[in-house]
Amino acid sequence: DVQLLESGGGLVPPGGSLRLSCAVSGFSFDTYNFNWVRQTPGKGLEWIAFIGRDKDTVYYTDSVRGRFTISRDNSKNSLYLDMNSLRVEDTAIYYCVRVTSGYDYWGQGAAVVVSS
Amino acid sequence: DIVMTQTPLFLSVTPGQPASISCKSSQTLLWSNGKTYFYWYVQKAGQSPQLLIQEVSKRVSGVPDRFSGSGSGTDFSLKISRVEAEDVGVYYCMQSVHLPDTFGQGTKLEIK
Repeated sequence: DVQLLESGGGLVPPGGSLRLSCAVSGFSFDTYNFNWVRQTPGKGLEWIAFIGRDKDTVYYTDSVRGRFTISRDNSKNSLYLDMNSLRVEDTAIYYCVRVTSGYDYWGQGAAVVVSS
Repeated sequence: DIVMTQTPLFLSVTPGQPASISCKSSQTLLWSNGKTYFYWYVQKAGQSPQLLIQEVSKRVSGVPDRFSGSGSGTDFSLKISRVEAEDVGVYYCMQSVHLPDTFGQGTKLEIK
């Protein structure tokens, strides 16, 4: 079965850092592209970062560029999101998502709360 | 950024009746390769979103044939021919023709 399992969420103060991980199983990790997508009650679903199979192709939405870093370790079948200089507005559920034609598999989500 | 506008935002439907959701994009979603990068998702209570329809009208494996997608350019729709209780959830449209990929606000479907 295809599984994407996020971990690393939690409560962090403004300005703090957090690393989200996504462990993938059930398919050949290194042949797929991935996104991180977040969801909030106010802004809904928001794409925030993309990483290609080659690891070097990365894209970010404007609001996180320079603060967040997407990466992958194909030897560990894992995807990461390093989040720095966190802001209150980064509070959200973060999903790792496999990209094919559309986002065909989603993790269960990791909750990140940025609050003092 | 491409803005995706869904209507209505709320639907209350009697089981067995049809339902329709519209999604309009602020720019064409037709790419130069002839593909249209438009998708529908549903998020059921307590779950992650799941892909329903790819590239306007292609149902994902396992999606019942009472779901159909149509449209072109900037105007798209999702139709459920006969709503069932299990269809309750929030439906989202999404485009991926231009980064950033963007979603509609979501349409909440309830059963009367």
